[in-house]
Amino acid sequence: DTGVSQDPRHKITKRGQNVTFRCDPISEHNRLYWYRQTLGQGPEFLTYFQNEAQLEKSRLLSDRFSAERPKGSFSTLEIQRTEQGDSAMYLCASSRRGTGDTGELFFGEGSRLTVL
Amino acid sequence: QQQVKQSPQSLIVQKGGISIINCAYENTAFDYFPWYQQFPGKGPALLIAIRPDVSEKKEGRFTISFNKSAKQFSLHIMDSQPGDSATYFCAASRGGSYIPTFGRGTSLIVHP
Repeated sequence: DTGVSQDPRHKITKRGQNVTFRCDPISEHNRLYWYRQTLGQGPEFLTYFQNEAQLEKSRLLSDRFSAERPKGSFSTLEIQRTEQGDSAMYLCASSRRGTGDTGELFFGEGSRLTVL
Repeated sequence: QQQVKQSPQSLIVQKGGISIINCAYENTAFDYFPWYQQFPGKGPALLIAIRPDVSEKKEGRFTISFNKSAKQFSLHIMDSQPGDSATYFCAASRGGSYIPTFGRGTSLIVHP
């Protein structure tokens, strides 16, 4: 399978705990995106990387959120001191920016977070 | 501030019917308009996309109609099938950044 993979698929945690999600993009893709999706809503942009550089962050990404993409490969999204409002599906997507870029984002199946 | 407004929120059609989902945008800098399809438990997947230099794009049973002056675009699904039952999101992005802003989605149910 050469699609975008996310781990874990489900995470249940208690309020105040830290959680980390991992995303492995399609190997030749240089762009990686994180979105958040809540029930009945469309995906909301959080941040994106081109290679290892984090180029844009949404205002939704509070100080408790941090994302990294070391060496321009996989990415991690960490949420510190989780709150019940953080409960959502966290989607990762990747794309190839450059020659032949179609603008298509390839999404993973998401990591569902439940904060009790 | 919702930059991409999508309607209806839900849609029920009979097999063989036409499904129509509408979207409107505010930012005139948007220049790429994709539609994504999402099945339960899966991530969104690109269905079809259009750029503002054309007014219509058709791929199989799926057609995007685009009205630049009205800042509106719509998805038409012809001969709707039960397998089309999913949530559909319109989106828009600008300036080659390809960071889509999504609408709230339309839950489509096609009855056999």
